[in-house]
Amino acid sequence: GDSVTQMEGPVTLSEEAFLTINCTYTATGYPSLFWYVQYPGEGLQLLLKATKADDKGSNKGFEATYRKETTSFHLEKGSVQVSDSAVYFCALSDQYGGATNKLIFGTGTLLAVQP
Amino acid sequence: DTAVSQTPKYLVTQMGNDKSIKCEQNLGHDTMYWYKQDSKKFLKIMFSYNNKELIINETVPNRFSPKSPDKAHLNLHINSLELGDSAVYFCASRATTSGTEAFFGQGTRLTVV
Repeated sequence: GDSVTQMEGPVTLSEEAFLTINCTYTATGYPSLFWYVQYPGEGLQLLLKATKADDKGSNKGFEATYRKETTSFHLEKGSVQVSDSAVYFCALSDQYGGATNKLIFGTGTLLAVQP
Repeated sequence: DTAVSQTPKYLVTQMGNDKSIKCEQNLGHDTMYWYKQDSKKFLKIMFSYNNKELIINETVPNRFSPKSPDKAHLNLHINSLELGDSAVYFCASRATTSGTEAFFGQGTRLTVV
């Protein structure tokens, strides 16, 4: 079945460092790919998404490019801030719409940014 | 206006009790979900409903019973609570066309003592 694998955390960085969180997926066809962020004590919020190969999703300085050839959707940010400290989830949904379509999540990666 | 709201935010109860969590969405979405997040932050889908009809039931114990009175509401009732039920439960809603994201509630932290 479809699955998402993301790098283990925690990831600890100093402020203004470069961030990469790796995400790879297994799915048939052309899934849509998402990054969600969960700040402490809150629900999940969509950070960015890409719905077809070579699309780049971007938001709040974060970027991820849908790479079909490597089945990857790595999250990057050029300069992290303390306020970026959160858990980041990679997710996919299959290419078919309809009632049985669901989001499948990776295990989450905790990012801790130190001042 | 909160898009997906669930109540209560915190729930502490004793083993063996029965409890309910309520969820409402005002986004006009046709599908709603319950997810369980364990202490390691792993998210697992429990149920989905589409237009009040149960679509996905991911081998959840039958002590868990979702109920959808209309497509804007999806409640979760749990009977005979066990210690292992302690987790954060998230409600989410989505329009089930390809490529759409889900919107999540703030979560309900359930602690069974």
